[in-house]
Amino acid sequence: DTAVSQTPKYLVTQMGNDKSIKCEQNLGHDTMYWYKQDSKKFLKIMFSYNNKELIINETVPNRFSPKSPDKAHLNLHINSLELGDSAVYFCASSLRTDFTGELFFGEGSRLTVL
Amino acid sequence: GQQVMQIPQYQHVQEGEDFTTYCNSSTTLSNIQWYKQRPGGHPVFLIQLVKSGEVKKQKRLTFQFGEAKKNSSLHITATQTTDVGTYFCAGHQGNLIFGKGTKLSVKP
Repeated sequence: DTAVSQTPKYLVTQMGNDKSIKCEQNLGHDTMYWYKQDSKKFLKIMFSYNNKELIINETVPNRFSPKSPDKAHLNLHINSLELGDSAVYFCASSLRTDFTGELFFGEGSRLTVL
Repeated sequence: GQQVMQIPQYQHVQEGEDFTTYCNSSTTLSNIQWYKQRPGGHPVFLIQLVKSGEVKKQKRLTFQFGEAKKNSSLHITATQTTDVGTYFCAGHQGNLIFGKGTKLSVKP
């Protein structure tokens, strides 16, 4: 069983389109995250949710909207995609809210915007 | 803004040589975590250090947390080809801030 699963794994789309990436964790964790990893491998947090509530929202364009229907799911919707959105997006979860425990990452979703 | 600096960016070693990556923060960290990301893979947690001056070992890997809790290092003894990947430190400053990683390549 995959602890943190993301779909799709690959996504190729045109500029201006809207797309979503889904994430589910079966670890019973309360906290979930979205990270963006750019071409230089830099990992930057985008959002953090604790039990369906947003607790971190870094300086991310409002074209990015996370949605958490329940604590096991955190989906990422992106409107009006731009070339600079091309990256690998990682979902992660942790047992604790305060970053004092390990993060469990999904396998990543590679987004390519043409 | 908050930053965790990590060096070197790249390291190429011959199999059997040692490898070290370093992390530095301008502010005191509550804890520091280390992750490994294999090529094409996702970051996988290795360890967390919490106490000042803490040293932890995992087989050939040795992790250190500085006395001032502002720096940390990961040392690999006698590298193997399976050690290939990017090693990230992540410092806790209210939020978890990742360093830019050190990409390790090992020549057999």
